[in-house]
Amino acid sequence: GQQVMQIPQYQHVQEGEDFTTYCNSSTTLSNIQWYKQRPGGHPVFLIQLVKSGEVKKQKRLTFQFGEAKKNSSLHITATQTTDVGTYFCAGSRGNEKLTFGTGTRLTIIP
Amino acid sequence: NAGVTQTPKFQVLKTGQSMTLQCAQDMNHEYMSWYRQDPGMGLRLIHYSVGAGITDQGEVPNGYNVSRSTTEDFPLRLLSAAPSQTSVYFCASSYQGQGATEAFFGQGTRLTVV
Repeated sequence: GQQVMQIPQYQHVQEGEDFTTYCNSSTTLSNIQWYKQRPGGHPVFLIQLVKSGEVKKQKRLTFQFGEAKKNSSLHITATQTTDVGTYFCAGSRGNEKLTFGTGTRLTIIP
Repeated sequence: NAGVTQTPKFQVLKTGQSMTLQCAQDMNHEYMSWYRQDPGMGLRLIHYSVGAGITDQGEVPNGYNVSRSTTEDFPLRLLSAAPSQTSVYFCASSYQGQGATEAFFGQGTRLTVV
């Protein structure tokens, strides 16, 4: 079945440093979504990427979808304490179920 | 606008007991799903529904039943609770399924089976 892996599993950064999480699928995806889950909270949708090579930005967050539509990344510039949480990617092959990655837990050292 | 509402928020069960986790959404979404979240394993799909009267199995359906009699409600039933079902359960809804549109999650139910 479809597998979606994320690395790293954990990341500790100093406040102000950049952060990147990577998502890799065993199969070609039709689209990919990113979610953020604060500690003790529920996943909240951030963005969806559909096109090969697509890049989208939300303030300090940059999302990329690979040319082969099998990988994606989320980059946060100059992290802040409000960025703390677990970031999940979730991929779909169109008419198949949405598969979530294992998540990257980000902690910020003030 | 409440979005997706899950009850209860916390539950402790004894092995062998049964219970129903409730999920309701007020966004008129056709697609609803149940996930369980365990440390290091992300969110795994248990069951999903593409509309009232239609349900299907996800990645980890064993030990769980669902039904969808209305668009709004999608309850998850644990038939005979086992310690392996200790987890955080999330219900989600979306306008379209299969990742076509964003999913809205409930607050979660933290279940412990002793």
